[in-house]
Amino acid sequence: NAGVTQTPKFQVLKTGQSMTLQCAQDMNHEYMSWYRQDPGMGLRLIHYSVGAGITDQGEVPNGYNVSRSTTEDFPLRLLSAAPSQTSVYFCASRTGTSASYEQYFGPGTRLTVT
Amino acid sequence: GQQVMQIPQYQHVQEGEDFTTYCNSSTTLSNIQWYKQRPGGHPVFLIQLVKSGEVKKQKRLTFQFGEAKKNSSLHITATQTTDVGTYFCAGDQGAQKLVFGQGTRLTINP
Repeated sequence: NAGVTQTPKFQVLKTGQSMTLQCAQDMNHEYMSWYRQDPGMGLRLIHYSVGAGITDQGEVPNGYNVSRSTTEDFPLRLLSAAPSQTSVYFCASRTGTSASYEQYFGPGTRLTVT
Repeated sequence: GQQVMQIPQYQHVQEGEDFTTYCNSSTTLSNIQWYKQRPGGHPVFLIQLVKSGEVKKQKRLTFQFGEAKKNSSLHITATQTTDVGTYFCAGDQGAQKLVFGQGTRLTINP
């Protein structure tokens, strides 16, 4: 199993550009989520999904869209990049919808918006 | 809003010294998880605590869950250079979402 994979590893965008961060998992996990990590802020939840076709907002959803058309994939779209979105983005998955299951994280995407 | 506070934010120790990080929630937690993130890496699951007053050990690491299920701690005995990283607690406040603490970054002087 590859686990949770993310592409790209690094990305530089100009303000106003859009892009999609890719996330895929091959563990047949129902639950997938996106976090951003900023210094001193820990991991903050952007969006999450409890299954194909179902998504919901987390703590910091503004400026981001998600969709879940398959169990495996959960892309994160930045609609119009802003410098405040400079961060490290982690995708995670777990086997159940309850938060009592361990989460598996991808390697992360380091995004810089200039 | 729902918060999980973690202290200290940073801790620097000499190799061989002990280390403790503390986690406090504003609400009662169903369970709490601990993760470790090595520099440049991604968070990796360490353990989950579910019961009030629960204590679990993993070699030199001891994890505790408070009686009121609102606080938790991670204690490392006799730190080694392999313990370097950031330790996060994450609380389940019953809404399918984990709320992460800010993390404690541990650095070690060999």
